[in-house]
Amino acid sequence: QQPVQSPQAVILREGEDAVINCSSSKALYSVHWYRQKHGEAPVFLMILLKGGEQKGHEKISASFNEKKQQSSLYLTASQLSYSGTYFCGALSGAGSYQLTFGKGTKLSVIP
Amino acid sequence: NAGVTQTPKFRILKIGQSMTLQCTQDMNHNYMYWYRQDPGMGLKLIYYSVGAGITDKGEVPNGYNVSRSTTEDFPLRLELAAPSQTSVYFCASSPGQVYGYTFGSGTRLTVV
Repeated sequence: QQPVQSPQAVILREGEDAVINCSSSKALYSVHWYRQKHGEAPVFLMILLKGGEQKGHEKISASFNEKKQQSSLYLTASQLSYSGTYFCGALSGAGSYQLTFGKGTKLSVIP
Repeated sequence: NAGVTQTPKFRILKIGQSMTLQCTQDMNHNYMYWYRQDPGMGLKLIYYSVGAGITDKGEVPNGYNVSRSTTEDFPLRLELAAPSQTSVYFCASSPGQVYGYTFGSGTRLTVV
């Protein structure tokens, strides 16, 4: 089953913060986060493994709550280059190879 | 390194025609995947492979076939193209299950 992302779209001014959420109805083994700009391929941001860890990537970080089967992506002090569609991908088990993606969250950063 | 290379970038097919989408990676990744992306729907897994000679179906395999004779290549075959196969197709690879995917630049396919 496809993970559910929220919000579907968000508009930010430069310097503002945003949170994108990803929820699954299945127990999660890992969560991936990708960013895709219009007409381009998705680009890997980070992976979070079972264990509730939090990761950071410059001003973009993420958390993974395996009990709630949720992950959140945090974008702080947003830049114009952060614009794009963000996808979470969920892997439901250690023996699974089928990464299932959410429908995406479109983030627009304006001056 | 070139990463993941997909060809062609664009293609228009007539209903009933067949074609092969090519995918090659030079990173020696064991895992390879084919996804299709339709507007507003995210990416749907068509087929995947965990190594040469091993392939398995994903979420939407109907109308497609794959083969994996080498580590580098993972072609996707469309037989009897239908308008429902109009989509953007992405090939991806990864070194293993706990690593992120590297995507190719995609093939935009239109079936008319």
